[in-house]
Amino acid sequence: AQKVTQAQTEISVVEKEDVTLDCVYETRDTTYYLFWYKQPPSGELVFLIRRNSFDEQNEISGRYSWNFQKSTSSFNFTITASQVVDSAVYFCALSEYTGGFKTIFGAGTRLFVKA
Amino acid sequence: EAQVTQNPRYLITVTGKKLTVTCSQNMNHEYMSWYRQDPGLGLRQIYYSMNVEVTDKGDVPEGYKVSRKEKRNFPLILESPSPNQTSLYFCASSLVVGGAGEQFFGPGTRLTVL
Repeated sequence: AQKVTQAQTEISVVEKEDVTLDCVYETRDTTYYLFWYKQPPSGELVFLIRRNSFDEQNEISGRYSWNFQKSTSSFNFTITASQVVDSAVYFCALSEYTGGFKTIFGAGTRLFVKA
Repeated sequence: EAQVTQNPRYLITVTGKKLTVTCSQNMNHEYMSWYRQDPGLGLRQIYYSMNVEVTDKGDVPEGYKVSRKEKRNFPLILESPSPNQTSLYFCASSLVVGGAGEQFFGPGTRLTVL
């Protein structure tokens, strides 16, 4: 069965620190998709990245980077030089095809970045 | 503007009074889905739809119904709401060409059942 674990419930850092948010997933399928979403204090959900199971290339987008490792079933997210605006809840999600795309979200990690 | 809209945004109701939360998208997306968000549990999928007239259960479908008669609309129906359905509800849509796509979320509907 699908499962997404975000073991870190809350993380607090000081501005300019680097921070890594962990995501571990379980799936029986060989084809699946992984996502990260951000939910700032205003409440909307914002897409950050999508990865399919055949693309293990790491990705960097500005201060954000993602490390996908199938061997450890992990899809970790690193923010370099964190800023106060990065304060949000971050969700990792997994979609796999079971006749349709069922999606499982992790419980989320709340990140506090202090000035 | 490409968007997912939900109505109402806030709703307080009483146990047993049927209600419908509407969801509409203007991006011609095949895939639509409903989630509920509860503290400490993240988002849990209620129902999803791969296209018109094709719906399937997510992880927490009990007490909910959906229909997909048109591509743009995906209403969530609570036939007999109960207090444990008090939650924040999100509708989302995405393309599915080439696999599961990024989901675009509506602004959320905060439902309180007394």
